Amino acid sequence: NAGVTQTPKFQVLKTGQSMTLQCAQDMNHEYMSWYRQDPGMGLRLIHYSVGAGITDQGEVPNGYNVSRSTTEDFPLRLLSAAPSQTSVYFCASSYSPYYEQYFGPGTRLTVT
Amino acid sequence: RKEVEQDPGPFNVPEGATVAFNCTYSNSASQSFFWYRQDCRKEPKLLMSVYSSGNEDGRFTAQLNRASQYISLLIRDSKLSDSATYLCVVSRGGADGLTFGKGTHLIIQP
Repeated sequence: NAGVTQTPKFQVLKTGQSMTLQCAQDMNHEYMSWYRQDPGMGLRLIHYSVGAGITDQGEVPNGYNVSRSTTEDFPLRLLSAAPSQTSVYFCASSYSPYYEQYFGPGTRLTVT
Repeated sequence: RKEVEQDPGPFNVPEGATVAFNCTYSNSASQSFFWYRQDCRKEPKLLMSVYSSGNEDGRFTAQLNRASQYISLLIRDSKLSDSATYLCVVSRGGADGLTFGKGTHLIIQP
């Protein structure tokens, strides 16, 4: 049981490039979410999903897209990277929005 | 008023001491409450859920006061390994899940 896995662990992008951060969970959780964590800002919700085929925006969705074609996978796509998107990105999963969430190890992204 | 407020610290505490953290939340519709622990450059991990009646897990005790919208965490006989950032977490009451406080940084000194 791997829990929540994320790839890559580290990534450097140039401004304007696009990329997809991968997230997968093997706990059969319906609820998945993406956060970014910046110094002094805490964890901020980017997008979330309550099940396959259903996604919605969180607090800071601009510049990011998500899709949920299966229960297991919830990729986050950066459309056109900007230096303001330099951050640590965490994916999390849970049985429901009200239950404790389990986090992946994070992706450290730098945009130059 | 911020959704979840915590004293950022740092709290510098000698090993073996008792330390208490507090947290206030603004959403009266919140139904679920947690404390998470985050080590430097690692992901947040669940420390314990917080129940209305209060609950204890070894050296850790959590209390919830719904009337005052206040949550606390008490750590007894602190260990060097308790050094971390402690995040107060509250459900938003909808499908958008949990709100995380910015965390309280704890340093246990030998």
